Amino acid sequence: KQEVTQIPAALSVPEGENLVLNCSFTDSAIYNLQWFRQDPGKGLTSLLLIQSSQREQTSGRLNASLDKSSGRSTLYIAASQPGDSATYLCAGQTSGSRLTFGEGTQLTVNP
Amino acid sequence: DGGITQSPKYLFRKEGQNVTLSCEQNLNHDAMYWYRQDPGQGLRLIYYSQIVNDFQKGDIAEGYSVSREKKESFPLTVTSAQKNPTAFYLCATSLRQQGSPLHFGNGTRLTVT
Repeated sequence: KQEVTQIPAALSVPEGENLVLNCSFTDSAIYNLQWFRQDPGKGLTSLLLIQSSQREQTSGRLNASLDKSSGRSTLYIAASQPGDSATYLCAGQTSGSRLTFGEGTQLTVNP
Repeated sequence: DGGITQSPKYLFRKEGQNVTLSCEQNLNHDAMYWYRQDPGQGLRLIYYSQIVNDFQKGDIAEGYSVSREKKESFPLTVTSAQKNPTAFYLCATSLRQQGSPLHFGNGTRLTVT
C-alpha cells in the first residue's frame, strides 16, 4: 500500500527566501506525482503534475522534481512571497485513478 | 464558467441524522471522487466513480453512500453509521485517462453534534 510522507510539517521563512518542500513515497510504481496548494478552509489547487517518465516540471517560481528510484519528490519555491503562505500537499497516483496524499507542509512566508 | 460546485459550504446536523453533500461539475469529466480531510491529516478517499452508474469504495467507505445517476453529479450521503462524521469533505474530478490531474471543489465543512 502506498504511503506518502511530507517533511517538514510546518515551515516559516522570511520573504524572498528560496525553499524546498519534501515528499517521499513507498511504492516506486507510481504513474505520477502531483503537488497541490490549499488555502485555509478551501479546496485544493493543482500546482504541478509530474508523470512517471518525467524528472521535473516548472511553473513560474515553482519547480517540482521526481526521483522514482529513491521515492522522493521536491517542490522548490524561488523568491518566496507572503502570498505563497498556504499548505502544500503532494499526492502519488498508483493503481487506477486513486491518489494517496501526504499530510501536507504548512508554509508561512513572513513579510 | 467551468468548475466544481460543492454545496453547502457549511452544514450542521444532529447526531443520528443522515445528511447528503452535493457535488456538481460542468467540466465534462468522467471520474469523480469524494475525500475526507481531518485537521493535520492528508486526504482520505471515501468513494470514487469512473463512469455513470458505477462507483467503488475507497479506503474509508464505512458509514457513507454515494450514487452516480448523472455524469455531472456525485452526491455523498453521510449516514448515522459513520462514527466520526465531523470533517471537511472535498469532491474532485478528473478525466478517465491514467495520469490525469485532479480538480477540486471548495469543500463542505460538516459538523455533527
